[in-house]
Formats: sequence, structure tokens, C-alpha cells
Amino acid sequence: GQSLEQPSEVTAVEGAIVQINCTYQTSGFYGLSWYQQHDGGAPTFLSYNALDGLEETGRFSSFLSRSDSYGYLLLQELQMKDSASYFCAVLGGATNKLIFGTGTLLAVQP
Amino acid sequence: NAGVMQNPRHLVRRRGQEARLRCSPMKGHSHVYWYRQLPEEGLKFMVYLQKENIIDESGMPKERFSAEFPKEGPSILRIQQVVRGDSAAYFCASSPSRGGSGAYEQYFGPGTRLTVT
Repeated sequence: GQSLEQPSEVTAVEGAIVQINCTYQTSGFYGLSWYQQHDGGAPTFLSYNALDGLEETGRFSSFLSRSDSYGYLLLQELQMKDSASYFCAVLGGATNKLIFGTGTLLAVQP
Repeated sequence: NAGVMQNPRHLVRRRGQEARLRCSPMKGHSHVYWYRQLPEEGLKFMVYLQKENIIDESGMPKERFSAEFPKEGPSILRIQQVVRGDSAAYFCASSPSRGGSGAYEQYFGPGTRLTVT
């Protein structure tokens, strides 16, 4: 089977840096994605890592270590609007279904 | 370019009624996925369709649930004889292609909130 684990909640202050971890167990690995969801709205794609290392996109970066079955999302210069739920996800094998993690609720405080 | 569209946004049904949820993928996208999200939980895959074909329905309950993506028109997720446990947000996503960049980046609609009373 496949499972992804994330911390349930993280709290940080504006301007700070926060890291959201994700560990996964899969029967076949095609890459790790990250999605953001505000207040139960439409999840939006943030990043994707197929290979080990760090991918940077503006204030957001994502890291993957395939040997450790581990990745993280790094958010820098936090803003209030970054308060949301963040989900890691893997592709479910031969079909394109996304298997989502449990989600991390990020609260950014002033 | 309009995004993924879903309707209705909110749907209230009494136990035993049918719920019909619609999803129009982004223009040019031929792959549609349905996910269910219970309150305070992550998204759970239900079904993956291409035009006129069900590719993977491993996440969809065997009874009462069905999905289609006809040659013309939106994709439909149909829930017959709804029960209270069906109350959830149902999200549709689309992607332009299978494999490569089109697979891991899916575009989600705003969801349909189904409430069963």
C-alpha cells in the first residue's frame, strides 16, 4: 500500500521560515508533489520533485531524498496569506491518481 | 482559459435520494480525476477517467457510486441512495496528458459540497 505522513499543524510568525516534512511509503515511486489548500477551497499545485535535491520557486522550495523516502516544503518570508493546509502527494503507480498525505495546517501569526 | 468547473457548488440531499455532480475539465485536458475530502482530512482518490473510458476506479465504492466522462459534455459523478456518510467535498481535477509533467500537476475545481440530511 501507499501512505504519506505529515505533521498535523505548524505555527510560525510573519517573515519567518517554516519547513513541512513528509515521509512516504509507496510500492513504486514517480515523484513527490506539494499542493496548497485554503479553507477547503480548490487545491493548487505548488511543486514537484522527481529527483533528489532542492527545487526552488520563489519563496517556496521543495526537497526530496528518495533513499530516505522523505521530502519537505520550505516556505520563506512567511506572509499571512500563506496560512493554509499543505499536502504532499505521490502518483499512484501505473495510473495518474494522486495519493495525498494527511495534510499540515499552517497558521501564520503576526 | 477557464479553469476546471464544477457544479453545483453546494448540494443538499435527503437520505435515499440521488446526487449528481458535474465537472468540466480545463480546455484541452482529456484526463479527469475525482477525489473526496471529508472534514479535517486529506483528499482520497476515487476514479480516473478519459473520454468514454474509466481508467482506474479503485478508490470508488463498488455500490451506489458511478462515474462517466462522455464524448460530449462534462464528467458526471453519480451517487445513488445517498447516506449521511456520503457528506463530503467532492473535487474534480484534470490534466492534459498521462505521464511526464501532465501527470503530477493536476488542476482542481472548486469542489461540490454534498450534505446529506
